[in-house]
Amino acid sequence: GAGVSQSPSNKVTEKGKDVELRCDPISGHTALYWYRQSLGQGLEFLIYFQGNSAPDKSGLPSDRFSAERTGGSVSTLTIQRTQQEDSAVYLCASSSLGGHQGYTFGSGTRLTVV
Amino acid sequence: SQQGEEDPQALSIQEGENATMNCSYKTSINNLQWYRQNSGRGLVHLILIRSNEREKHSGRLRVTLDTSKKSSSLLITASRAADTASYFCATLNNAGNMLTFGGGTRLMVKP
Repeated sequence: GAGVSQSPSNKVTEKGKDVELRCDPISGHTALYWYRQSLGQGLEFLIYFQGNSAPDKSGLPSDRFSAERTGGSVSTLTIQRTQQEDSAVYLCASSSLGGHQGYTFGSGTRLTVV
Repeated sequence: SQQGEEDPQALSIQEGENATMNCSYKTSINNLQWYRQNSGRGLVHLILIRSNEREKHSGRLRVTLDTSKKSSSLLITASRAADTASYFCATLNNAGNMLTFGGGTRLMVKP
């Protein structure tokens, strides 16, 4: 597509439920990144996929968080047993040359855990 | 932890004035980038400066980089109300595979 697409744009879930967030990167972009942004804060790195290499999961805050990228394209970030502190905007970005030409971000998913 | 730290955290100016935002970082970098964010949603890439460059211009944007001081500045000239947004610096590591973002500067331009 023309840009990075994320869905849903907003998600309200009850504490303890699982959620899945989807990211559809720009076609041909080999690198895909997930970041989390709490209200009024900077971006916190979560996970990074590059081509067929094993993902860099070093930013995932707990084992409740996981992500996969199927066929080198669409990615899904899953949060199990959600907690209130998981409330944030989850941003996905893709790039064709790592960070050498900048990232293209999606509009994010605003997750609210009640 | 954040690699880049922006200063000031918030800035309020009148339309037509210049806005200057600063960014400091800790480790060696491949390049430094500035992004803009409206309303807490997606970020838009503004400008990139490589570690061997000292200054770069794009329209009303001017970016400087001082690798000896590990700092960068973003200057927006002749600001407009539409420039109101949060601005983030981000540094690319030497491996070229990870951008680390600072906490951002919230800019308000009053008409």
